[in-house]
Amino acid sequence: DARVTQTPRHKVTEMGQEVTMRCQPILGHNTVFWYRQTMMQGLELLAYFRNRAPLDDSGMPKDRFSAEMPDATLATLKIQPSEPRDSAVYFCASGIGDTEAFFGQGTRLTVV
Amino acid sequence: GQNIDQPTEMTATEGAIVQINCTYQTSGFNGLFWYQQHAGEAPTFLSYNVLDGLEEKGRFSSFLSRSKGYSYLLLKELQMKDSASYLCAVSRSQFRDYKLSFGAGTTVTVRA
Repeated sequence: DARVTQTPRHKVTEMGQEVTMRCQPILGHNTVFWYRQTMMQGLELLAYFRNRAPLDDSGMPKDRFSAEMPDATLATLKIQPSEPRDSAVYFCASGIGDTEAFFGQGTRLTVV
Repeated sequence: GQNIDQPTEMTATEGAIVQINCTYQTSGFNGLFWYQQHAGEAPTFLSYNVLDGLEEKGRFSSFLSRSKGYSYLLLKELQMKDSASYLCAVSRSQFRDYKLSFGAGTTVTVRA
């Protein structure tokens, strides 16, 4: 049963701490997305990769956020330093080319 | 960028039909997706329209008019489990840039 796996599922951290979220895309998928979802803003695209190359991260606050794909089986999203306004659910999704994206279960981040 | 508009909420009775409209404005339009998201869960893929016309898949159908920048999702024979948020998402490609952007979602409540 192929699925996108995200860890951790929940994270509570103090303001100023570094947060790292991980995503294992579905094997064979060459496109990876990072989204952030809040009640106020809905699903916002933060970054996406194709064949591990970052194509667009214009939706991401560059001063504190970074996204990487060290290999085809791992994508990471880091926040350093974290702030309370970063509290949200962060979704990773993967796909093949321009077809549908399959979402992971998300990481619910709370920054206090 | 792109503007994606859909109603915030809709309520319908079990067994009835509901139509969720989505209008969009974007350059480099590829296709339009519909996703379903239950509270606390990840979005799941429902349909993908690239060409004009109606795509039927069981109780769910999706329509696209590229010239009008308009789509709708039709839910027939509503069931209680259909209570969820329905997200319209637009994919676009321009040069090497590919984006999948979501509307704010329509919360559908099915009542007995």
